[in-house]
Amino acid sequence: RKEVEQDPGPFNVPEGATVAFNCTYSNSASQSFFWYRQDCRKEPKLLMSVYSSGNEDGRFTAQLNRASQYISLLIRDSKLSDSATYLCAVNSVNQGGKLIFGQGTELSVKP
Amino acid sequence: DTEVTQTPKHLVMGMTNKKSLKCEQHMGHRAMYWYKQKAKKPPELMFVYSYEKLSINESVPSRFSPECPNSSLLNLHLHALQPEDSALYLCASSQVNGQGGNSEQFFGPGTRLTVL
Repeated sequence: RKEVEQDPGPFNVPEGATVAFNCTYSNSASQSFFWYRQDCRKEPKLLMSVYSSGNEDGRFTAQLNRASQYISLLIRDSKLSDSATYLCAVNSVNQGGKLIFGQGTELSVKP
Repeated sequence: DTEVTQTPKHLVMGMTNKKSLKCEQHMGHRAMYWYKQKAKKPPELMFVYSYEKLSINESVPSRFSPECPNSSLLNLHLHALQPEDSALYLCASSQVNGQGGNSEQFFGPGTRLTVL
């Protein structure tokens, strides 16, 4: 079983749709959680850190469920410019600075 | 300034060449990383430097040799690479949060390497 698992998609949605990504992790010692966005042939860019209480940034909401060991990212009112690959990443306290990435979920927002 | 810079942007090298990738950050971060990313795959960690000391080597072949000359710079020396080493090489940096893990990592734009 992979340490971090994500549905690879692709997700094809119309503009204005709400889309949700989930990511499960297997290491219960995992401590820090992140969502990154990666455009084609570019580097991953940090979208959000995920906190225990959940956090929101405009149209983006991230949540953490420690009991079920998953994190989620919700995008509301999706825009064409949201088309990208979304990567979840997990850092465990017993693995130093090692970030484990999910496989990434490709999102395509269509007009 | 949340910027990590990498040079060169693109690199083509033969299997007998020696080349180096360079990474620089001026965010005061004390952890720096090298990742390798193949198409349609997530980044894979290669090395971690914490306080200029190598703290993680993910069993990377010795034809890849990292170096951290100071807290702002990270190099990756390449020698006798194979065509399957062609990939995007990403540098990242972060603060060290003192709890055994690290905080958010910020990535540079990467060096796209082709080995002929």
